[in-house]
Amino acid sequence: TQLLEQSPQFLSIQEGENLTVYCNSSSVFSSLQWYRQEPGEGPVLLVTVVTGGEVKKLKRLTFQFGDARKDSSLHITAAQPGDTGLYLCAETYSGAGSYQLTFGKGTKLSVIP
Amino acid sequence: NAGVTQTPKFQVLKTGQSMTLQCAQDMNHEYMSWYRQDPGMGLRLIHYSVGAGITDQGEVPNGYNVSRSTTEDFPLRLLSAAPSQTSVYFCASTRSPTNEKLFFGSGTQLSVL
Repeated sequence: TQLLEQSPQFLSIQEGENLTVYCNSSSVFSSLQWYRQEPGEGPVLLVTVVTGGEVKKLKRLTFQFGDARKDSSLHITAAQPGDTGLYLCAETYSGAGSYQLTFGKGTKLSVIP
Repeated sequence: NAGVTQTPKFQVLKTGQSMTLQCAQDMNHEYMSWYRQDPGMGLRLIHYSVGAGITDQGEVPNGYNVSRSTTEDFPLRLLSAAPSQTSVYFCASTRSPTNEKLFFGSGTQLSVL
């Protein structure tokens, strides 16, 4: 398994502002998933990125996968209170019959109305 | 379609007591896993299973046992609870652990006194 570093750990912004959160590793990702978790609930998948340089958009959310596949970012345009939650990146490690999805520690986002 | 169902939602134990956290999924997923989530630590993998009769350890397996007698069910057993096992526990399943969406239950909040 590889260590996933997410930054920042906490982020508090006003409604309407833009923000970017990051997920980095010293090793190459085979693929990367982004999840959002709301209080009292389990994480929910937002997107999976596979190809270096890939960009995916989900309404106001833009996900980028680094060319070298060692980093990824999530950009939110015009944040809304409904975007509040914990954003987690996750990487699948597979080998010798082992399949482990490893999560970063997350970025806790608060969007203030 | 219920997805992934976890019970109980909340549990308080005394040190040394045993209990089983239940997890069931109705999506015919082969891969199931258990995570614990602690403040500042993200989601850490406890045990996982790639199919009925097959289980393996994750990052933090000590103090926990699992079994997978059916495709649907993946219970997590605490044999002798310790305060260090106070956490929120999530069960998750997927059709394939590589590049496919992980479906999470809503979690069990466990306190060990």
